[in-house]
Amino acid sequence: AQKITQTQPGMFVQEKEAVTLDCTYDTSDPSYGLFWYKQPSSGEMIFLIYQGSYDQQNATEGRYSLNFQKARKSANLVISASQLGDSAMYFCAMREGLGNQFYFGTGTSLTVIP
Amino acid sequence: DTAVSQTPKYLVTQMGNDKSIKCEQNLGHDTMYWYKQDSKKFLKIMFSYNNKELIINETVPNRFSPKSPDKAHLNLHINSLELGDSAVYFCASSQEGLYNEQFFGPGTRLTVL
Repeated sequence: AQKITQTQPGMFVQEKEAVTLDCTYDTSDPSYGLFWYKQPSSGEMIFLIYQGSYDQQNATEGRYSLNFQKARKSANLVISASQLGDSAMYFCAMREGLGNQFYFGTGTSLTVIP
Repeated sequence: DTAVSQTPKYLVTQMGNDKSIKCEQNLGHDTMYWYKQDSKKFLKIMFSYNNKELIINETVPNRFSPKSPDKAHLNLHINSLELGDSAVYFCASSQEGLYNEQFFGPGTRLTVL
């Protein structure tokens, strides 16, 4: 089974609107961390936001927030007030327990329309 | 003061050649990784080293050999390059601990002709 599933290969959003990128995960370890990365067309991987399995509150970083639903095993990224510069690939990733391995999803390509 | 650096950024070579990609991190991290990103943007883990010791070795051809001379360096050597090796290769590093993210290098775009 896939550890991380991103079911939206491509998404479009109007500038200044909010958008949600979906991510579901699969683990039996009670301790895990969830990460979102952005990859613009220039190619670099940029860390955006982190959510720990024991965190009581949803993580937020500026315009990025994480809608963490533990029972549903989902960790959706919400981008508020989309900007043209948000157009990029977005990857969800998970790190389990004491492990050093990161499991990545297949990514979602987001296009912000002016 | 680049955190994770890779050289070269671009590599164009002929089939059958041997090439190396170098990676260095100045973050003091214990773990380093190599990923391959194909044209569909799938990120595939290839190798991971923790304190110079191989800990993750995914199913990759044995033409690929990682070498970690010290904790701050993880180089990737590829023998007998094939067309299918064309991809972007990312080096990354992280500190131990669940909440620690990976820091990625800028990537090396390898083109095999």
